[in-house]
Amino acid sequence: AQTVTQSQPEMSVQEAETVTLSCTYDTSENNYYLFWYKQPPSRQMILVIRQEAYKQQNATENRFSVNFQKAAKSFSLKISDSQLGDTAMYFCAFILRTGNQFYFGTGTSLTVIP
Amino acid sequence: NAGVTQTPKFQVLKTGQSMTLQCAQDMNHNSMYWYRQDPGMGLRLIYYSASEGTTDKGEVPNGYNVSRLNKREFSLRLESAAPSQTSVYFCASSEFPGGGNQPQHFGDGTRLSIL
Repeated sequence: AQTVTQSQPEMSVQEAETVTLSCTYDTSENNYYLFWYKQPPSRQMILVIRQEAYKQQNATENRFSVNFQKAAKSFSLKISDSQLGDTAMYFCAFILRTGNQFYFGTGTSLTVIP
Repeated sequence: NAGVTQTPKFQVLKTGQSMTLQCAQDMNHNSMYWYRQDPGMGLRLIYYSASEGTTDKGEVPNGYNVSRLNKREFSLRLESAAPSQTSVYFCASSEFPGGGNQPQHFGDGTRLSIL
């Protein structure tokens, strides 16, 4: 069975500072994909960043980057230069390359403090 | 670009009533999904349709039925609503069965309250 764990229910960060959100997952498979989604108060689910498990290089999208540690089954999200608009719930998600289901963590609520 | 459209956005039902949540996508995606989101529990998969003509149970299917009407539309039905089904429901779609490296695209959600 595949599981995704986000152990930080809530976090806060000062504006312009850097914050890291943790995610671990469990699978016996070798080929899969990982995602971070952002859900602001508007309730929309917005893709932040994605990572293919076969790529060793960590994905980066502007101020967002990941630290992907395949052996440790860890996929953390780093947000640099935090902005007020980054205030949202963040979900880590996982899918096997040959799977049909996405598995989501329980989310981390991030508040950026002015 | 409409993306994934869910209707209605809000609904209040009485226990025992039935209703259907509608979802349509205009991205020609093969796979569609229904989730429920509850505080502290993240997103849980109710049902999914890997491709037109197929549906499969997810993690929490009890009390729900689905219909993949065509490639665009995937509806979720509550036959006899219960207070435990009070939740926010999300429809999502993705390009391929299995997702691959293609992310899911989500609708804006339906907030459903069962009294």
